[in-house]
Amino acid sequence: GAGVSQSPSNKVTEKGKDVELRCDPISGHTALYWYRQSLGQGLEFLIYFQGNSAPDKSGLPSDRFSAERTGGSVSTLTIQRTQQEDSAVYLCASSPITSSDTQYFGPGTRLTVL
Amino acid sequence: EDQVTQSPEALRLQEGESSSLNCSYTVSGLRGLFWYRQDPGKGPEFLFTLYSAGEEKEKERLKATLTKKESFLHITAPKPEDSATYLCAVGGLTGGGNKLTFGTGTQLKVEL
Repeated sequence: GAGVSQSPSNKVTEKGKDVELRCDPISGHTALYWYRQSLGQGLEFLIYFQGNSAPDKSGLPSDRFSAERTGGSVSTLTIQRTQQEDSAVYLCASSPITSSDTQYFGPGTRLTVL
Repeated sequence: EDQVTQSPEALRLQEGESSSLNCSYTVSGLRGLFWYRQDPGKGPEFLFTLYSAGEEKEKERLKATLTKKESFLHITAPKPEDSATYLCAVGGLTGGGNKLTFGTGTQLKVEL
């Protein structure tokens, strides 16, 4: 079946602009995660959604970052007033349920802030 | 705080030359240890999940093993198409949900 999809694949923006990144999880997966991968760094957890529960936002680096998940499916990660240090690959993953289930990743969105 | 350290950072092998990648971890309570493969410009591709010490899993030329402190990814008779970055991650009992803590990866290059 279809895997996790993300759009756009690449995004170039100017410092100070807002950006929206989209994630479409695997159908039927209730858990959705956002991670960030910076050059030379490991993947860094950002936020986690599980069903109708309140999201775990503990990994968001600042209040410029926010995310929504509508209808338990598609998610949007929004970065306001982008900074150069926000440049990274943003990866989305989904899994069927929590607690030890494997996460399946999308191809990522490469964000470049000029 | 959960921590994952992978070694070596980079590894160059000749085709057919077997080797092992190491993943050392500290975690408050292991829910799972995960191995992924990542090709340039792509998202991580799932390889294995290990849940308890002593567990082993195999897939083609890859075999993953787990102890209470580390995991090894053994590569037997590698081919050039095995060239990729291999990522190790752990899910711990604290922190809620199933968020993973990743290592920085081992970049493997297999040459003819």
